[in-house]
Amino acid sequence: GAVVSQHPSRVICKSGTSVKIECRSLDFQATTMFWYRQFPKQSLMLMATSNEGSKATYEQGVEKDKFLINHASLTLSTLTVTSAHPEDSSFYICSARGQQNTEAFFGQGTRLTVV
Amino acid sequence: AQKITQTQPGMFVQEKEAVTLDCTYDTSDPSYGLFWYKQPSSGEMIFLIYQGSYDQQNATEGRYSLNFQKARKSANLVISASQLGDSAMYFCAMREGRQAGTALIFGKGTTLSVSS
Repeated sequence: GAVVSQHPSRVICKSGTSVKIECRSLDFQATTMFWYRQFPKQSLMLMATSNEGSKATYEQGVEKDKFLINHASLTLSTLTVTSAHPEDSSFYICSARGQQNTEAFFGQGTRLTVV
Repeated sequence: AQKITQTQPGMFVQEKEAVTLDCTYDTSDPSYGLFWYKQPSSGEMIFLIYQGSYDQQNATEGRYSLNFQKARKSANLVISASQLGDSAMYFCAMREGRQAGTALIFGKGTTLSVSS
């Protein structure tokens, strides 16, 4: 299957700082990228959907000013958690899909801990 | 109403036995896709199997098969000959419609534990 690379896999940051997470499609053009959040032992909750070159569409309850999403190219999307707080600690995982793909391919996920 | 329902929080099975993980779904869209993913403790999401709403045959991929019962809106995953490495969380997911921009909706997951 296609490869999606997510970086970093783990990050610890201090409260009040910002953290950027990258999601890259390595061998296909990702027309759409999805960002999910997962708390321990729970399901994946969709945060936002982004299409290359346009603004992301956020799910209800997700603050767009706090979770900045950029999808500037067909192979890269970034999620920036701004002014992070301990309650933002979670597992964040991206998914990418090309125009011709049936399935969406997932990155390895990023475990964010805010201290 | 929940779009994807997985009623089994945890399942236990012995090595070499078969196990069925339940999934029911709710949609009014005639075109949809159903997916199963495996998530080990490392967190990565591993794609297992896909079933399209118009597919006539049940999907199979090695030891995985999907028991698709359209009228009952169920898409159970059957794992044959369980292995210790199958211990993980399993998610059923659905995508409604055909557009590439539609996200997957996930169920709450089932934790499978395989013992020797």
